[in-house]
Amino acid sequence: DADVTQTPRNRITKTGKRIMLECSQTKGHDRMYWYRQDPGLGLRLIYYSFDVKDINKGEISDGYSVSRQAQAKFSLSLESAIPNQTALYFCATSDLGKGNEQFFGPGTRLTVL
Amino acid sequence: TQLLEQSPQFLSIQEGENLTVYCNSSSVFSSLQWYRQEPGEGPVLLVTVVTGGEVKKLKRLTFQFGDARKDSSLHITAAQPGDTGLYLCAGAWPTGTASKLTFGTGTRLQVTL
Repeated sequence: DADVTQTPRNRITKTGKRIMLECSQTKGHDRMYWYRQDPGLGLRLIYYSFDVKDINKGEISDGYSVSRQAQAKFSLSLESAIPNQTALYFCATSDLGKGNEQFFGPGTRLTVL
Repeated sequence: TQLLEQSPQFLSIQEGENLTVYCNSSSVFSSLQWYRQEPGEGPVLLVTVVTGGEVKKLKRLTFQFGDARKDSSLHITAAQPGDTGLYLCAGAWPTGTASKLTFGTGTRLQVTL
């Protein structure tokens, strides 16, 4: 079984709809991250959480919100989706003191029409 | 915002050729990582370099961290089709007692027979 799972894997939605992307991990890591990937721009950090009570904005948090429901779960919401939020979204985890290595989920491909 | 520029953006070579990918920034990193991403999957860590001037080898891959810790390179000897993928560098930036990663723009490598 995968250590970091994301649901759904693919989603097509319309402008203005609320969307939630979910991430679960079995690695026991405290730190979790949400990134979006666009061609030619690499991975950009949306939000990150270093423990259940800690939520921090990344470089591109506008239009997004997150919820850390438990150590193992970190959800990303788009309150009112817009077409330029069409992208590949990745969840990642890391462990304190383990050299910053991040472990990524398989990604969610989101299309906003 | 720290920026990491990778070059080239695309690279198409034949099996057996050598290649070098570069990762550059105007800022100093506390450490730098290289990831490889294959279609439909999240990035997977290849190596972490920490010390200026450090060289690490992973089979046919050689990673070097610049003396000033602002740049890095990845050299592949005798490339094989299995090396095909998206290569991402990621710099770690200390933020208080923790750190997070900023990813480069990526180099897409295709190795053909």
